[in-house]
Amino acid sequence: GQNIDQPTEMTATEGAIVQINCTYQTSGFNGLFWYQQHAGEAPTFLSYNVLDGLEEKGRFSSFLSRSKGYSYLLLKELQMKDSASYLCAVKDSNYQLIWGAGTKLIIKP
Amino acid sequence: ETGVTQTPRHLVMGMTNKKSLKCEQHLGHNAMYWYKQSAKKPLELMFVYSLEERVENNSVPSRFSPECPNSSHLFLHLHTLQPEDSALYLCASSHRIDIDTQYFGPGTRLTVL
Repeated sequence: GQNIDQPTEMTATEGAIVQINCTYQTSGFNGLFWYQQHAGEAPTFLSYNVLDGLEEKGRFSSFLSRSKGYSYLLLKELQMKDSASYLCAVKDSNYQLIWGAGTKLIIKP
Repeated sequence: ETGVTQTPRHLVMGMTNKKSLKCEQHLGHNAMYWYKQSAKKPLELMFVYSLEERVENNSVPSRFSPECPNSSHLFLHLHTLQPEDSALYLCASSHRIDIDTQYFGPGTRLTVL
């Protein structure tokens, strides 16, 4: 079967750095997505990785290793507004998105 | 961002009611999706439409009936639902159904009594 694993919940301190990991086992790979979802709101697109390596976008970076079936989302200079759930999703060989259950990130002052 | 809108935002219905959820996208996309999001579970893809044709139906019970009258609008018709159908129903759209990024609406929080 297809599976995406990510931690259920993480806590970090304002101003610090946090890394949210995602591992996947899917039939085929056509890219990995990270989304941010604040409580009661729509998931919003953060990043897309299809090749190995690090993609940086402001305070957020996303890394991919296809050989290891592994990605992480790195958030720097954490702000209170970064408290949200972070969803990892992989497009399989049929171009269907397979989703993780999400990581709830709690930021403390 | 209001590229994808959904109405209503909240809905409470009895098991014998019939209601419809509406989604509209203003992004010029050709593909639209319905997802179900339950607490602490991955998003579940329900239906996919590409150029108004249904291309995916992931074993969804017949009490959920989608309709896509044009590439900008998507409906989910609900009838004789069960309490376990209570969830957040999200609509999304993308340029195409293969590699493109999906953009989501705010969802309809459905409660079935």
